[in-house]
Amino acid sequence: DVVMTQSPLSLPVTLGQPASISCRSSQSLVHSDGNTYLSWFQQRPGQSPRRLIYRVSNRDSGVPDRFSGSGSGTDFTLKISRVEAEDVGVYYCMQRTHWPPLTFGGGTKVEIK
Amino acid sequence: QVQLVQSGGEVMKPGASVKVSCKTSGYKFTNDNINWVRQAPGQGLEWMGRIYPNNGNTVYAQKFQDRVTMTTDTSTNTAYMELRRLTSDDTAIFYCARGMGLDYWGQGTLVTVSS
Repeated sequence: DVVMTQSPLSLPVTLGQPASISCRSSQSLVHSDGNTYLSWFQQRPGQSPRRLIYRVSNRDSGVPDRFSGSGSGTDFTLKISRVEAEDVGVYYCMQRTHWPPLTFGGGTKVEIK
Repeated sequence: QVQLVQSGGEVMKPGASVKVSCKTSGYKFTNDNINWVRQAPGQGLEWMGRIYPNNGNTVYAQKFQDRVTMTTDTSTNTAYMELRRLTSDDTAIFYCARGMGLDYWGQGTLVTVSS
């Protein structure tokens, strides 16, 4: 199974400042079809997960443009350009290139300093 | 709009089975997989498996292979996940999510296993 490793575990951020979350996979996530199936999810306290980004860098509908995804191969990053109070929660990366199984990172908790 | 509405919370005894439902609307049910994800209290997300409603084809995570059954009812656009031989370690929120991209999620169903 592909292991997804996120860092940091916890990320205290000042409102209005940027934040960056890293996700590394144990093997390349480039699929034989040429796509890289790496997604990012946000889970606010007490809510279901919500997909923010798919195929590394594509924002889902309604996702603010302060969220961006980048990376390739085994190294990926989610960036929030200016953190707002509503961004508090846990963020997960997930791969589906090498499924089954779908595998998630352990999560990064974003909180306000 | 796409919606996935799950059944309510359950309290189960160890050794029992639970069946969670996920009623969908706003898209063609048979066109997309339904995945099930488990989240233990304070923990991360764990994929359990998926079902393709068009033909009932299932793929289960090895961890749950011998205890889980996923089914669908295309007449009501509803997916079901049954987990057998429950233990306290199965106390968790169970989510359904659409497609292999997990683009829409249900609200979650809390299953508590306690004697």
